[in-house]
Amino acid sequence: AQSVTQLDSQVPVFEEAPVELRCNYSSSVSVYLFWYVQYPNQGLQLLLKYLSGSTLVKGINGFEAEFNKSQTSFHLRKPSVHISDTAEYFCAVGDSGTYKYIFGTGTRLKVLA
Amino acid sequence: DGGITQSPKYLFRKEGQNVTLSCEQNLNHDAMYWYRQDPGQGLRLIYYSQIVNDFQKGDIAEGYSVSREKKESFPLTVTSAQKNPTAFYLCASRARLAGVGDTQYFGPGTRLTVL
Repeated sequence: AQSVTQLDSQVPVFEEAPVELRCNYSSSVSVYLFWYVQYPNQGLQLLLKYLSGSTLVKGINGFEAEFNKSQTSFHLRKPSVHISDTAEYFCAVGDSGTYKYIFGTGTRLKVLA
Repeated sequence: DGGITQSPKYLFRKEGQNVTLSCEQNLNHDAMYWYRQDPGQGLRLIYYSQIVNDFQKGDIAEGYSVSREKKESFPLTVTSAQKNPTAFYLCASRARLAGVGDTQYFGPGTRLTVL
């Protein structure tokens, strides 16, 4: 079965500093990878996704992620964070066999002034 | 505006009562999903439906039931058999029947508290 691991449950970072949120997945077949953001008491919003092609994917709000097949990773990065980026971030993989999505446990990003 | 609506936003029920959470979408999407979110556990799949009148159990279906009589609606019933129903429930939809690479769109969620 596919699985998604988000290695950090919480990441504190100062405003305007860079940040990387880590995500590793397990799969032996083609994967579809997603990063979502969730603000308190709201639904999830797509940041970016990787389906195929270029391994560097750019998303909304200045975020980007790099797909690394050999390391089975899909880490999310932003070169300079803002207070408004404080939220929970979820990595997910789409399973083309079952049409299900498997989510990681989330990383809570806290941007400090 | 196109999107997914969930109602109510907050729901309180006494232990032992069944309760139904509403999920409606006007995106003309084929597939719909229900997730449960608990702190530190991410999203766990309860049920999903690829097409009208068909649905499959997810990873934590026990104590829940669903129906998909219309394309735009996918209500979730939390029954008294669910041992720990207090959680945040999220509904999502996806455009195509086999499009697992498609984006899932999420509703705003319903927070259920069982007293």
